[in-house]
Amino acid sequence: GQQLNQSPQSMFIQEGEDVSMNCTSSSIFNTWLWYKQDPGEGPVLLIALYKAGELTSNGRLTAQFGITRKDSFLNISASIPSDVGIYFCAGLTRDKIIFGKGTRLHILP
Amino acid sequence: NAGVMQNPRHLVRRRGQEARLRCSPMKGHSHVYWYRQLPEEGLKFMVYLQKENIIDESGMPKERFSAEFPKEGPSILRIQQVVRGDSAAYFCASSPDAYGGETQYFGPGTRLLVL
Repeated sequence: GQQLNQSPQSMFIQEGEDVSMNCTSSSIFNTWLWYKQDPGEGPVLLIALYKAGELTSNGRLTAQFGITRKDSFLNISASIPSDVGIYFCAGLTRDKIIFGKGTRLHILP
Repeated sequence: NAGVMQNPRHLVRRRGQEARLRCSPMKGHSHVYWYRQLPEEGLKFMVYLQKENIIDESGMPKERFSAEFPKEGPSILRIQQVVRGDSAAYFCASSPDAYGGETQYFGPGTRLLVL
C-alpha cells in the first residue's frame, strides 16, 4: 500500500534555530498537507500544497511540493517554544489521505 | 462556529466491554471521517461516512468495529468486545466536501484505554 516516510522521527533543537523535516514516498500524490498536533489535541492544518514545485509560506513556516510529486518538506524558521509538538505530513490521492508517522519537535531550554 | 466535537475525551473499558465514541461534525459539514492513532504513529484512516451512508470503510477492521452517521445526531464509532490492542486515540474529522483532505477539520480525539 501507499506509505509516507517522514524524517526525522524526532528533533531536539535550541530556541531560535531553524528546523527542516521532510516526507518521501514511492507514490505520487495530488496534494500535500502539513499538520501540527499538540499534546492531547487533534491535528491542525498548517499548509496545503496543490501543485508540483509549489512553495508556500505561513508565517515562519515554509513548505514545498516536490517536483516529482513524491516528496515534500517543511521548514520552520527561528523556532519558539510554542512550536513544540508533532508535525505530520499527509499525501492525498483522488480518494485517500495517507499520513506520515510524524516528526516530534522538542525545544531545549 | 463550534469545531468538531468528540466525546468522551477519555474512555476506559475492560476487555470484552463495548466502546462507543461520538463525533459531532462542524455545522454545515456532512462528511465525517474516523482515524485511529497508535502511540508513536501517524493517523490511520478507518472509515468515511456521509449522512446515513458508509462511503468507504476500507480501513475498518472486519470484526467488532462499526460506524454510523444517522440522519439526526452524531456519528458513532462502536467497538464491541474490546481488546487491549484497541487502546489508541480515535480522531474524527469533518469536511463540507467529499474526501476534502485540505478541508478536513479534526476533533480533539477520544483516548481509549482497554484494561
